[in-house]
Amino acid sequence: DAMVIQNPRYQVTQFGKPVTLSCSQTLNHNVMYWYQQKSSQAPKLLFHYYDKDFNNEADTPDNFQSRRPNTSFCFLDIRSPGLGDAAMYLCATSDGGLAKNIQYFGAGTRLSVL
Amino acid sequence: AQTVTQSQPEMSVQEAETVTLSCTYDTSENNYYLFWYKQPPSRQMILVIRQEAYKQQNATENRFSVNFQKAAKSFSLKISDSQLGDTAMYFCAFTRSSGDKLTFGTGTRLAVRP
Repeated sequence: DAMVIQNPRYQVTQFGKPVTLSCSQTLNHNVMYWYQQKSSQAPKLLFHYYDKDFNNEADTPDNFQSRRPNTSFCFLDIRSPGLGDAAMYLCATSDGGLAKNIQYFGAGTRLSVL
Repeated sequence: AQTVTQSQPEMSVQEAETVTLSCTYDTSENNYYLFWYKQPPSRQMILVIRQEAYKQQNATENRFSVNFQKAAKSFSLKISDSQLGDTAMYFCAFTRSSGDKLTFGTGTRLAVRP
């Protein structure tokens, strides 16, 4: 049973055309993360939500934004995608209240920018 | 800032043999958590094993075990009786506390040969 679901699995967009990636979870975790993973590189955190509190990484470009309308859903908005934004985007969740610190990942959305 | 280094970009092992993946990290924290995550081709990242820094005993999960050397800041993964399904990218990762981000190494691509 999928616990962290990302849609779509593959997304193609045009240079400069806004795109939204979605993530949902059935774990009822209060923390949700968005990571960017470029080809053959380590995943890099863009931002995360602790409940409704948004935490942006210092080096995340302004072009990337996020919304979390409720516990189950989180969205990644790329306002004006550039060629350098082509990557795999990973959503993850964790139960911030427990000490285990385990993050559960979705299958990712692979974004192509033409 | 924390850093995680995986010095082996690729490794190969014969089925049923044992392989060890290396990981070193750098932190000024005294209490933290270390993980090995597995990312099979085109599939989601899943947790392999977790180690709490305050525990001296090395974590084990079936065929997977770690050698955690806190003073040396080393955290290697041993896979015993390798199986074809172990073929994947393996990431070593670090987090300071619950709800904190994961800092990943660059990964080791493991191929298990039949």
